[in-house]
Amino acid sequence: GAVVSQHPSWVICKSGTSVKIECRSLDFQATTMFWYRQFPKQSLMLMATSNEGSKATYEQGVEKDKFLINHASLTLSTLTVTSAHPEDSSFYICSAVPGPTYGYTFGSGTRLTVV
Amino acid sequence: GDSVTQMEGPVTLSEEAFLTINCTYTATGYPSLFWYVQYPGEGLQLLLKATKADDKGSNKGFEATYRKETTSFHLEKGSVQVSDSAVYFCALQTGANNLFFGTGTRLTVIP
Repeated sequence: GAVVSQHPSWVICKSGTSVKIECRSLDFQATTMFWYRQFPKQSLMLMATSNEGSKATYEQGVEKDKFLINHASLTLSTLTVTSAHPEDSSFYICSAVPGPTYGYTFGSGTRLTVV
Repeated sequence: GDSVTQMEGPVTLSEEAFLTINCTYTATGYPSLFWYVQYPGEGLQLLLKATKADDKGSNKGFEATYRKETTSFHLEKGSVQVSDSAVYFCALQTGANNLFFGTGTRLTVIP
């Protein structure tokens, strides 16, 4: 079946540093990938839609300069949290839709802790 | 706008108990409805779905029926197991890229 692989699964970083999270479609091509953020005890909120070869589309309230998204190939999208702060600590999940008969397929998520 | 309202929980049940997690929705048009499950330390997995009114989605003993008249998609299982302990998310999709989630319900099943 279609698989979305996300790395790392967890990361701890210091305030002020940047962290990159990778999302790969392993056996299909994804022109579009989605990045979600999940706060504790809350739902997933769509942050942005990543488009291969063009700029990402950000949801209202999401800082473009803080959450840099790059979708340089049909199988890889990256989310970079720049100048991370403790309030950026969260669970980040990516997803893609492998094809018309598939639903959203999610990566395993990345738990970011900023100290 | 489109939204999903889900029973908050947490829910704690004994093994073999009956489970219901309520989910209602607000949507324009005719959404598809989903239940996702998130096991500890893992990402979301699709549990079941229904794409039109009166459809029943089912998987792993879980069921949910798309009720347009009550705008509901309640999740049920007749006999839960410890391995069902997870967070369950109700979601709706109205367009190609519009997937809206409920807040999630944490289920803990005790032996």
